[in-house]
Amino acid sequence: DQQVKQNSPSLSVQEGRISILNCDYTNSMFDYFLWYKKYPAEGPTFLISISSIKDKNEDGRFTVFLNKSAKHLSLHIVPSQPGDSAVYFCAAVRSGGSNYKLTFGKGTLLTVNP
Amino acid sequence: NAGVTQTPKFQVLKTGQSMTLQCAQDMNHEYMSWYRQDPGMGLRLIHYSVGAGITDQGEVPNGYNVSRSTTEDFPLRLLSAAPSQTSVYFCASSLTSGSNNEQFFGPGTRLTVL
Repeated sequence: DQQVKQNSPSLSVQEGRISILNCDYTNSMFDYFLWYKKYPAEGPTFLISISSIKDKNEDGRFTVFLNKSAKHLSLHIVPSQPGDSAVYFCAAVRSGGSNYKLTFGKGTLLTVNP
Repeated sequence: NAGVTQTPKFQVLKTGQSMTLQCAQDMNHEYMSWYRQDPGMGLRLIHYSVGAGITDQGEVPNGYNVSRSTTEDFPLRLLSAAPSQTSVYFCASSLTSGSNNEQFFGPGTRLTVL
């Protein structure tokens, strides 16, 4: 049973445009959400996170939005760059849980075309 | 700092063979985890450790053993490899257990079991 869902396996956008990656979750006990970025043959690297007490967190070109009532979060990348091409994983932590026990989605492959 | 290192990068085993995947970190992190990533799947937690001498099971622990004799090292042992264990294995570490504390991932070990 997939508790963190990324329903789009892939997304292709033009350089300079906005990329929107979506993530849904089913477990209402999750209270912290993270996005990781993964290049081929490398480990995931942390990108941005958001606590359930917030609805938005911004870091440069990256913004994460959280809609708790819909159990939905999204990652916006503006403007998109070719170097952003990677697999993006959404991950969640349970309330009272710990960062070393992450629940991941399946990932979305983002391709940014020059 | 080398960060999180994993050896080997690639390994091919025959069914029934045993092997140890090595993981080391030089950041003095207390918390370490092992994940596996299968095609079309997110990362799933195998085992984790909250400090030297303390380990516990994650979501998919069957077929794997771990130990943590030092802060730096967290090896993952396959006692009798099975084709279902063909996967990419990632080791991760973090300084604290807080949700907002970043987990650092190693580059992964790609394991094939024939």
